[in-house]
Amino acid sequence: AQKVTQAQTEISVVEKEDVTLDCVYETRDTTYYLFWYKQPPSGELVFLIRRNSFDEQNEISGRYSWNFQKSTSSFNFTITASQVVDSAVYFCALSEATTDSWGKLQFGAGTQVVVTP
Amino acid sequence: ETGVTQTPRHLVMGMTNKKSLKCEQHLGHNAMYWYKQSAKKPLELMFVYSLEERVENNSVPSRFSPECPNSSHLFLHLHTLQPEDSALYLCASSQELAGVYNEQFFGPGTRLTVL
Repeated sequence: AQKVTQAQTEISVVEKEDVTLDCVYETRDTTYYLFWYKQPPSGELVFLIRRNSFDEQNEISGRYSWNFQKSTSSFNFTITASQVVDSAVYFCALSEATTDSWGKLQFGAGTQVVVTP
Repeated sequence: ETGVTQTPRHLVMGMTNKKSLKCEQHLGHNAMYWYKQSAKKPLELMFVYSLEERVENNSVPSRFSPECPNSSHLFLHLHTLQPEDSALYLCASSQELAGVYNEQFFGPGTRLTVL
């Protein structure tokens, strides 16, 4: 079963618009980690953020912000004032702490963000 | 070199060829991973090594053979591949396999085309 759902396949925006990427996860663990990665056209996945399940405080880093809500099992990502360089595929991932999964990353299908000038 | 490097960046091979993909991490990490990324499919975890021991083999066909001679290097040996094996192969490393230091850092990938 898919543990991480990124329902948006592609989002197209014009530069300077805000864009929010949705991520819904599923786990029975009380301890887990959530991640966001960016994959630009060059192919390399770039680590953006890790959040543990006990820290629901929202985080802002420059134009990036993350909204973690355990009540809805969501970890959404917002890019404010988007730029062309933000064009990439963005992946949400879950790492569970159970013995069987040893913390491996379970990725969503990704959301393609296209920012046009 | 910094981070995670992969060579070659692009590889075209015939179905009868034997080739190897190389990954090197310069981060002092203990765990290394191979992923396959095909078009329109989620990232697929192939192999995991922790302290040079294979931790997981996700039902990967035997035509893919991993090797981890030390904690900094990871290879993926390829032989008798099929056209459906064409994909982007990504290597990653993490400080630990699990726990608070498990974020993975990825290399740029090898774009493999099997003719």
